[in-house]
Amino acid sequence: ETGVTQSPTHLIKTRGQQVTLRCSSQSGHNTVSWYQQALGQGPQFIFQYYREEENGRGNFPPRFSGLQFPNYSSELNVNALELDDSALYLCASSSRVLTGNTEAFFGQGTRLTVV
Amino acid sequence: GDSVTQMEGPVTLSEEAFLTINCTYTATGYPSLFWYVQYPGEGLQLLLKATKADDKGSNKGFEATYRKETTSFHLEKGSVQVSDSAVYFCALSTNFGNEKLTFGTGTRLTIIP
Repeated sequence: ETGVTQSPTHLIKTRGQQVTLRCSSQSGHNTVSWYQQALGQGPQFIFQYYREEENGRGNFPPRFSGLQFPNYSSELNVNALELDDSALYLCASSSRVLTGNTEAFFGQGTRLTVV
Repeated sequence: GDSVTQMEGPVTLSEEAFLTINCTYTATGYPSLFWYVQYPGEGLQLLLKATKADDKGSNKGFEATYRKETTSFHLEKGSVQVSDSAVYFCALSTNFGNEKLTFGTGTRLTIIP
């Protein structure tokens, strides 16, 4: 059973640029959630994808967008990067069942620095 | 909206000391409650959870009891070890079908030998 993997682990971007972060969900999981964790803060929910559609969104502007692919992997795209977007971005995968979602497993995150 | 408040850190204890990290929450409905742990350089790991009032979650010597009357979910451990040094996050989830997690700000715990 493979875990949740994220790529890249670190990257540095310039303000105004665009970035794509990737996440491979754990084997057997069909739901992916993305979180932003600013330094010294708890993770904040960005959005969740289930069956390739957005299923819930937190308080983030439209320049944060995502995709989920048929193999359940996912991308997080951020356009027009701002300095405040510097954070650890966490991906979590889980599986949707009749009674709700199973436990979420987190990847190690992508550390994004915007300069 | 939903929110989680954790005791502010950092917390420094000697090995074998008793640990309590306070967590209180505000939520509509009946949330599920969680403690996650983040070791240096790693992602979040679920430590324990409780899904209804008076449930006790436990794992690796850690315990927390879901107290609806005080809207609390305090984390405790009777004898901490150096390997318990990490950041601990209290979290809740209320949305069936979209179990987004609402996290506290985290408490950094350092255990001194």
